[in-house]
Amino acid sequence: DIQMTQSPFSLSASVGDRVTITCQASQDISNYLNWYQHKPGKAPKLLIYDASNLETGVPSRFSGSGSGTDFTFTISSLQPEDIATYYCQQYDNLPFSFGPGTKVDIK
Amino acid sequence: EVQLVESGGGFVQPGGSLRLSCAASGFTFSVYAMSWVRQAPGKGLEWVSGIGGGGGGTYYADSVKGRFTVSRDDSKNTLYLQMHSLRAEDTAVYHCVKDRIVVVPSIFDYWGRGSLVTVSS
Repeated sequence: DIQMTQSPFSLSASVGDRVTITCQASQDISNYLNWYQHKPGKAPKLLIYDASNLETGVPSRFSGSGSGTDFTFTISSLQPEDIATYYCQQYDNLPFSFGPGTKVDIK
Repeated sequence: EVQLVESGGGFVQPGGSLRLSCAASGFTFSVYAMSWVRQAPGKGLEWVSGIGGGGGGTYYADSVKGRFTVSRDDSKNTLYLQMHSLRAEDTAVYHCVKDRIVVVPSIFDYWGRGSLVTVSS
């Protein structure tokens, strides 16, 4: 099974800051990597698919990059409504697996 | 507007059974792959099971294989998860998830808010 790791576990940043989260797969997954935002009590939301494609309707301050085993998710200018936990997810191989999540907070 | 509404969760004793349902609307349900993803209390997301659209196959996480069965009734726009031999570690909020792709689960583009399953004696 493919293991996904994320760092950091949590972060606190100021409004307007650039925020970067990394995700690493235990083996090559090409670009079969998605990013989700999850706010407490709400349904998770797809932000980025296939490593770098922005889902329709998602603000352009969110972006993703990478391929193979190393991926990056960026919020270019953190907004108060971005407080959430962010997960990466691979779909190269079954069983599909998520990273442990990165909790983003406002400083 | 895509809507996914889960039901059927509740409290069950270890070894018991439960069936979750997910009523889908706002898209051509029969075409798309669907999945169940769960979140245990204080934990992250875990993909549990998926089913292809258009008569596609079924897929399971190792942790539920042989105990859970995913199915769909395209005439009722409904996804199901039959759960048997439930364990305490199955306690979680179970989300119904629509896929962007039709044949095999892959990109989860719409999620329901979830149904809580609690397994305890």
